[in-house]
Amino acid sequence: DTEVTQTPKHLVMGMTNKKSLKCEQHMGHRAMYWYKQKAKKPPELMFVYSYEKLSINESVPSRFSPECPNSSLLNLHLHALQPEDSALYLCASSRDGTADTGELFFGEGSRLTVL
Amino acid sequence: SQQGEEDPQALSIQEGENATMNCSYKTSINNLQWYRQNSGRGLVHLILIRSNEREKHSGRLRVTLDTSKKSSSLLITASRAADTASYFCATDRDDKIIFGKGTRLHILP
Repeated sequence: DTEVTQTPKHLVMGMTNKKSLKCEQHMGHRAMYWYKQKAKKPPELMFVYSYEKLSINESVPSRFSPECPNSSLLNLHLHALQPEDSALYLCASSRDGTADTGELFFGEGSRLTVL
Repeated sequence: SQQGEEDPQALSIQEGENATMNCSYKTSINNLQWYRQNSGRGLVHLILIRSNEREKHSGRLRVTLDTSKKSSSLLITASRAADTASYFCATDRDDKIIFGKGTRLHILP
């Protein structure tokens, strides 16, 4: 069982839709992450929030918009996505976001299909 | 961008045998981690080894780290069907955790 909760588990959306992925953790962790994973590929880092501030953006297209309302919540807002954005989106948290980050705790992911 | 590179890409062994996976990386690190992922699920942290450590054990897992060769290995002893999964090494670089390409392990009954 994971202590990082992601919703929804599955999402199908059209290219003109606006939707959001949500992530929640109650472990008191101060860093939260979004990763994107295509089939049979490793997770690719998208964004890192450290102490509720965006600290890393891996040159992600603007159609993906992250938001960290508080230290427990992380959202990923989706707008005008392309079919190639279909993937498993993984949220993770860690105790802090320093160079010695340590263990990441992952949610089960949100499987996104863009039609 | 990938930091770690695992080999083999895929590995099939009989239940009860030992499984060894290797990871090579390119830049200096603070620590190296191994994660397991069951098909389509989230990743689960297995073990973390710091750059000043050479070997670490956790249950049936044994991890080694050779910073001079920039490589690590994960040994799973007495494999079980439940060990069937993808295994990723992950290294830290510029406050980022970057995953290698992974090894798909299949345990045959």
